[in-house]
Amino acid sequence: EVQLVESGGGLVRPGGSLRLSCAASDFTFSNAWMNWVRQAPGKGLEWVGRIKRKTDGGTTDYAAPVKGRFTISRDDSYNTLFLQMNSLNAEDTAVYSCVTERAGAFDMWGQGTMVTVSS
Amino acid sequence: QSALTQPASVSGSPGQSITISCTGTSSDVGAYNYVSWYQHHPGKAPKLIIYEVSNRPSGVSNRFSGSKSRNTASLTISGLQDEDETDYYCSSYATSSTYVFGTGTRVTVL
Repeated sequence: EVQLVESGGGLVRPGGSLRLSCAASDFTFSNAWMNWVRQAPGKGLEWVGRIKRKTDGGTTDYAAPVKGRFTISRDDSYNTLFLQMNSLNAEDTAVYSCVTERAGAFDMWGQGTMVTVSS
Repeated sequence: QSALTQPASVSGSPGQSITISCTGTSSDVGAYNYVSWYQHHPGKAPKLIIYEVSNRPSGVSNRFSGSKSRNTASLTISGLQDEDETDYYCSSYATSSTYVFGTGTRVTVL
């Protein structure tokens, strides 16, 4: 069964940094386009960004609110996706989930890891 | 990129059909056929139920159907069941290689 398990969440002060990881198993991770999606408490889903597979250039795209502060990367040798988050603010408080992308949709989701930005 | 607009809530009786709208712009819903829908029980991972406007993934009930007209996509749930009571989100590919989600709709089975 496909598994996506996020880790690295926690409490961080405004202006701080955090690195999230997503361990993937039971599918060919290197072939997958991977995304991060977040959901703030009591709010809806919000797309954060995506990294394509290396054979498609391995390029990244980001939502406007995080562009320049967040960086998505991947290590296909370890089937792991990363989200480096810098200059965090209260609006970044959310559950962050890693998600596979196929045919313009998000088909497999992790359970998510909670990030709280507070002083 | 602004969130796609969905009604906050939609309700219906068991067995009825309901439709959830998802209104975007000519830069997202109107420009691409990459509209998808998700069923989200709070505390659980969202589940893809419609992709590419009207396609159902394997294992998804045929009570769920999708369509699109210009800048508005729609999800119809027919034969409403108690288990359908939860949150639903639409999503669309958008210009600049980004995605945008809808504001979300709470479906209540009366």
